[in-house]
Amino acid sequence: AQKVTQAQTEISVVEKEDVTLDCVYETRDTTYYLFWYKQPPSGELVFLIRRNSFDEQNEISGRYSWNFQKSTSSFNFTITASQVVDSAVYFCALSENPLVNNDMRFGAGTRLTVKP
Amino acid sequence: DSGVTQTPKHLITATGQRVTLRCSPRSGDLSVYWYQQSLDQGLQFLIQYYNGEERAKGNILERFSAQQFPDLHSELNLSSLELGDSALYFCASSPRGDRVNEQFFGPGTRLTVL
Repeated sequence: AQKVTQAQTEISVVEKEDVTLDCVYETRDTTYYLFWYKQPPSGELVFLIRRNSFDEQNEISGRYSWNFQKSTSSFNFTITASQVVDSAVYFCALSENPLVNNDMRFGAGTRLTVKP
Repeated sequence: DSGVTQTPKHLITATGQRVTLRCSPRSGDLSVYWYQQSLDQGLQFLIQYYNGEERAKGNILERFSAQQFPDLHSELNLSSLELGDSALYFCASSPRGDRVNEQFFGPGTRLTVL
């Protein structure tokens, strides 16, 4: 069965610090997709990234970067030079082979607080 | 703005009542998903519809039901409401093709059961 673990419940940093949010997943499928979503205080879920299991290249988008390592079943998310607007709950999610089961399994989320 | 719309934004009702939440997917998306986010259970998948047909079922209670209409909008019906049903209910839709796993979420409906 698929499972996503975000061990960090809450993280607090000061603006401009770098911060890494951890995500560890479990799945028996060889084809799967990993996601990160941001949930700001307003409540909506904002899509950040999708990564499929065959693409282990790390990705950088502005201050955001993602490190996917199949060997450790991890898909960590780093925010560089954090800003107050980054304060939100961040969810890591896993979706398996869409031909079999397309529901998304979310981790419990990590609440990030960035202080000025 | 994800392009997914949900109404109403807030809903306050009493135990034992029945409510209907509505969702319109992004233009062109055939799949609609419903999720429940509560403090104790986190974000949980409830049910998926694809072009009017039920495709997958998650942790959806028997008191809950959903459907997707020919115009692709979807409704989630919650009946015999209990205090524990208070939660944020999200709808998501996904595109066809190689982005089928990418889900775009609506703003959610916050349900409060008193």
